[in-house]
Order: sequence, then structure tokens, then C-alpha cells
Amino acid sequence: DSGVTQTPKHLITATGQRVTLRCSPRSGDLSVYWYQQSLDQGLQFLIHYYNGEERAKGNILERFSAQQFPDLHSELNLSSLELGDSALYFCASSPGLLAGKYEQYFGPGTRLTVT
Amino acid sequence: LAKTTQPISMDSYEGQEVNITCSHNNIATNDYITWYQQFPSQGPRFIIQGYKTKVTNEVASLFIPADRKSSTLSLPRVSLSDTAVYYCLVAYSGGGADGLTFGKGTHLIIQP
Repeated sequence: DSGVTQTPKHLITATGQRVTLRCSPRSGDLSVYWYQQSLDQGLQFLIHYYNGEERAKGNILERFSAQQFPDLHSELNLSSLELGDSALYFCASSPGLLAGKYEQYFGPGTRLTVT
Repeated sequence: LAKTTQPISMDSYEGQEVNITCSHNNIATNDYITWYQQFPSQGPRFIIQGYKTKVTNEVASLFIPADRKSSTLSLPRVSLSDTAVYYCLVAYSGGGADGLTFGKGTHLIIQP
């Protein structure tokens, strides 16, 4: 158990809908990262927040947005969903700002299926 | 795009030592090299991290040559449970979000 929690574990929704994925980092960790993993694309970095502020963006679509709240939990919002958005979405946390220097602790993931 | 290149897959036998090499020709001065392990439908798990020379912990060793353009993860005496995908990550502070993309990793298959 990494100490990172993600809800829901599974989510099935229709195209065009909007969903929110939630992540609670390990106690004391200030950084939260979001990743998308699909079969043909490997593990893709989406966005990094540190203590409530956005610090880095990866290949995150404009239909996707995220935020980190004062209690440090984070939410990833996916809108106008398409079939291709079906994937595993992981959240990870780490204690520091420097993404490469600190170990990332990954949550169990949310499996999103868009039908 | 990931800053690293790894073999797509490897296989070995129980009890053998396995070495997985990662190429990172454009590594920056302040970049660290980190390896993660991932089992199906689970989040990646940290294995080892290094900056230069050699690092060893209870599960693996990491060898980094002086030019730091590659690194080798060494798993001693592997078992069936080491069958997983292994990712090499080269990143510093997220300046260059490229470094935070894990890519497709190396699928290691251990046979009895």
C-alpha cells in the first residue's frame, strides 16, 4: 500500500460525458502527478501540482483539467469524453517539488471505460 | 516524448541475474535516473534511483557510467515474481515535462 488513494476504482460512462477522478496523496506529500496509461501509449504524464500550484504540463488535452486543493487532494476532470479516453489514470505523490529527485508513490489507479 | 530508450522486452530464467539498459543521451546535469516496476493493473513502484556511479539497495543495483548517457538496472537472482514492466525515468524538476513520461518500458518475462 503506497498510501495514495484514488476514487473511484472503476468508472464506465458514455461518450460526451464529464467525469471527475479524485486523488489523496500520502500524508505530508506536497506534489501530485497525474498519468494516463493506455495499451498502446505506455504511461503518459499529464500534469504536476505542488502545494496547490500547477508546476508542469505534459500531453494533457484541453478537455482535461486538474486542480489541487488546500488539503492537498487533487481532482482530474475529463470532459466531452471520447472512446480514446478509455485508459487507466494514475495519481502519484511525492514529498518535494523536484520531480526527478524524489520517489513517486503511485495510487491503485482509476480504470475509465468510455462506451 | 520520453527522454529514454529501453528494450521493449527481455526474458530470462529464475535464479539468473538480469540487466536492463536504458539510453538517455540527452541527460542534463541536474537529472536523476530512477527505475520503477509495474505489475498489470497496478501503479508503478519505485525500485532504485541514482545520479552517478553505482547505487545498491536490497532489491537491485544501478550502474551509471561516467558520461551518464546510459544506465543499467541489475536484478540479482530473479524469480517468477519479477515478471513485470520496468521503466527508466530521467527527470529533474519537471522543467521539461518530457522527463516525466515513462514511455513503454521493458517487459521482463522470467521463466521457470
